[in-house]
Amino acid sequence: DIQMTQSPSTLSASVGDGITITCRASQNISRWLAWYQVKPGKAPKLLIYRTSNLETGVTSRFGGSGSGTEFTLTISSLQPDDFATYYCQQYNTYSYTFGQGTKLEIK
Amino acid sequence: EVQLLESGGGLVQPGGSRRVSCAASGFTFSSYAMSWVRQAPGKGLEWVSGISHSGGTTYYTDSVKGRFSISRDNSKNTVYLQMNSLRAGDTAVYYCVIDTSGVGFDYWGQGTLVTVSS
Repeated sequence: DIQMTQSPSTLSASVGDGITITCRASQNISRWLAWYQVKPGKAPKLLIYRTSNLETGVTSRFGGSGSGTEFTLTISSLQPDDFATYYCQQYNTYSYTFGQGTKLEIK
Repeated sequence: EVQLLESGGGLVQPGGSRRVSCAASGFTFSSYAMSWVRQAPGKGLEWVSGISHSGGTTYYTDSVKGRFSISRDNSKNTVYLQMNSLRAGDTAVYYCVIDTSGVGFDYWGQGTLVTVSS
């Protein structure tokens, strides 16, 4: 199975900051990578698909890049609603796998 | 409006069985692959199982192979996850998701909690 490794596991930032989360795949997944936002008690939300495509309705403050084995999620000008846990997911090959998550906390 | 409504969660004893269901509406169910994703308390997301749009192909994560079985009834717009030989480690919220080709999991249900405990 393809392993997905996110870093950092926890990130502290302030409202207005920009941040970057990294996701590494254990083998080449081309650009078959998605990012999800998870808040306690709520269903996960798809933010970005195929590495850099924003899901409908997602603010352009979110961005994604990368290919092959290394990918990044960037969030600019953090808003209070952005503080959540973020997961990357490869969907190049079953079984699909998620990263372990990055918890974005308010500093 | 796309809706995915899971049901069937509850308390199950170790070694027991449970079937969770997901009733779909608002889209052409028979055209989409579906998956189940779970999240154990305080843990991350884990893809569990997937099924092709026709039901002819199924996939499982290693930890549930031989114990779980995914199926679908396109006439009822419903996908199922039959879980046997349940263990404490299977305790989680189970989410039904639409697996849109090339996109990933773009719609999620609200989840159903399965608790495996004596």
